[in-house]
Amino acid sequence: DGGITQSPKYLFRKEGQNVTLSCEQNLNHDAMYWYRQDPGQGLRLIYYSQIVNDFQKGDIAEGYSVSREKKESFPLTVTSAQKNPTAFYLCASNLAGSTDTQYFGPGTRLTVL
Amino acid sequence: AQSVTQLDSHVSVSEGTPVLLRCNYSSSYSPSLFWYVQHPNKGLQLLLKYTSAATLVKGINGFEAEFKKSETSFHLTKPSAHMSDAAEYFCVVSDTGRRALTFGSGTRLQVQP
Repeated sequence: DGGITQSPKYLFRKEGQNVTLSCEQNLNHDAMYWYRQDPGQGLRLIYYSQIVNDFQKGDIAEGYSVSREKKESFPLTVTSAQKNPTAFYLCASNLAGSTDTQYFGPGTRLTVL
Repeated sequence: AQSVTQLDSHVSVSEGTPVLLRCNYSSSYSPSLFWYVQHPNKGLQLLLKYTSAATLVKGINGFEAEFKKSETSFHLTKPSAHMSDAAEYFCVVSDTGRRALTFGSGTRLQVQP
């Protein structure tokens, strides 16, 4: 089956620890995205990547880092510099360009204790 | 910059009655517009997409939306609500500058029996 997988579904971490969220796609998509979702708010763009070995900051990149070493993988690291990391994180991908539909993974809910 | 405003944070309807979820957008060019649906603790699923073809767009599960340039609106409708339609709905506009999406804050649809 083609799709986007995110793991784990639920993640708990202590304050001050870095944590990495996984996102993998087998859709052969060029572009990948990370969004953050907070209660009562829409999705906000953290980072995006249009091609391997290249990525750009979104609207709320502070306290986050990414890498894009392979086309199918786009991991997100939430660092200790992120002041309020508890949220639902969604990964998405598409072929190219914003007019193309983005396909979303099931999300990871991160809770920092 | 592009932006999108969802005019209602919550909408409640009775099963079998019409659904109207309102969305206004701001864009300096002809945008691509999307409606996505999110069920609790799930990723997002595309309902429908407008990309400058027909102004009335039909989507999945009986939903449709009409693009009205003069009103800068893209409202989502369904003739008859079903219990399974209860979810969060997001109106989304493309951002060709960054080749990313800008999300509205969402409308939570409740369907009463």
